[in-house]
Amino acid sequence: GENVEQHPSTLSVQEGDSAVIKCTYSDSASNYFPWYKQELGKRPQLIIDIRSNVGEKKDQRIAVTLNKTAKHFSLHITETQPEDSAVYFCAASPYNDMRFGAGTRLTVKP
Amino acid sequence: EAQVTQNPRYLITVTGKKLTVTCSQNMNHEYMSWYRQDPGLGLRQIYYSMNVEVTDKGDVPEGYKVSRKEKRNFPLILESPSPNQTSLYFCASALLTSGTDTQYFGPGTRLTVL
Repeated sequence: GENVEQHPSTLSVQEGDSAVIKCTYSDSASNYFPWYKQELGKRPQLIIDIRSNVGEKKDQRIAVTLNKTAKHFSLHITETQPEDSAVYFCAASPYNDMRFGAGTRLTVKP
Repeated sequence: EAQVTQNPRYLITVTGKKLTVTCSQNMNHEYMSWYRQDPGLGLRQIYYSMNVEVTDKGDVPEGYKVSRKEKRNFPLILESPSPNQTSLYFCASALLTSGTDTQYFGPGTRLTVL
């Protein structure tokens, strides 16, 4: 089955800096790659997603890139703000199931 | 208000005592799923359902049962809970049958099995 690895597990940046989180997947059948943000004590919420026929997608300060050949995808957050502090999860969907990475705890220091 | 609801939100039980966690969505979504969240392991899918009466195993289905008799409800059943099922459980739903769409998560159910 699909295996998703996520790095780093923790990331600390200064406010205004960029943050990058990387994920790799194993199943070449995966065609949908969402990213979820989970604030402390809350439910995960989708922040951006990308499909396998697209290489990059942007939404304001957030962007995701996908390299199908290398089977990896990344989340880029620019101009980080303290409210970006949360746990971020990548995921991959090969068929109808969804496999998540272990998460990255991002801390943005003011 | 469009939402996914779960009940109960918190539950402490003992080994072997059957329990059910309910999940309901009011968005007419086709796809519903259950996840468990454990520290360091992220979210792991337990079961999912693409439509009424259609369910399939996720990554960690052992010890769990589900049913999808109505489109809006997707209960999670633990027939004989064990301490290793102590976890935070999330139900989610998505518009598309395949699930390759935004999944909306419920508020979570924190389960402790003694």
